[in-house]
Amino acid sequence: AQKITQTQPGMFVQEKEAVTLDCTYDTSDQSYGLFWYKQPSSGEMIFLIYQGSYDEQNATEGRYSLNFQKARKSANLVISASQLGDSAMYFCAMREGPNFGNEKLTFGTGTRLTIIP
Amino acid sequence: GAGVSQTPSNKVTEKGKYVELRCDPISGHTALYWYRQSLGQGPEFLIYFQGTGAADDSGLPNDRFFAVRPEGSVSTLKIQRTERGDSAVYLCASSIRDSSPNEQFFGPGTRLTVL
Repeated sequence: AQKITQTQPGMFVQEKEAVTLDCTYDTSDQSYGLFWYKQPSSGEMIFLIYQGSYDEQNATEGRYSLNFQKARKSANLVISASQLGDSAMYFCAMREGPNFGNEKLTFGTGTRLTIIP
Repeated sequence: GAGVSQTPSNKVTEKGKYVELRCDPISGHTALYWYRQSLGQGPEFLIYFQGTGAADDSGLPNDRFFAVRPEGSVSTLKIQRTERGDSAVYLCASSIRDSSPNEQFFGPGTRLTVL
């Protein structure tokens, strides 16, 4: 089974609108972390937001928020007021086990987001 | 400050040749990771160093792949007898491991093409 599933290969969104990128995960660990990264055409992975499995509140970072639904094992990224510069690939990733243990990340296949002016 | 750097940015080689890819992590970062990203896929974990030692090399696909980090800073990923299937972008990341969320900072990658 895939550990991280991103079902939207591509999305087109009008500038200034909000967009939700889907991510579901599969793990038997009680302690884990979920990350979202942005990869522009330049290729560099940029960290956006993090949610720990024990965090009770949804994470927020500026225009980014994470809709964490633990029982459904989903961790969707919400981008508010989208901008042209948001056009990029977006990857959901998971660290299984506690923080400061083995920190290797398992990534999904990504969603290509295109913002339309 | 300076981010993670990787050299070369592009490497073209012939099947059967040996290649070395270099990663310079962010100064002070104790953890270093190598990932491989094939076209249209997310990065795939290869190996993780904590200091000088490889803490987890479970992602290395076979014994043609080897990585070192002799002084706990710069790391080199070595690929022997390259095959066309090794063509991918090789990403390096580092983290400081001192506070949550302990995010990984990625370099720009080395695009390896095996002809």
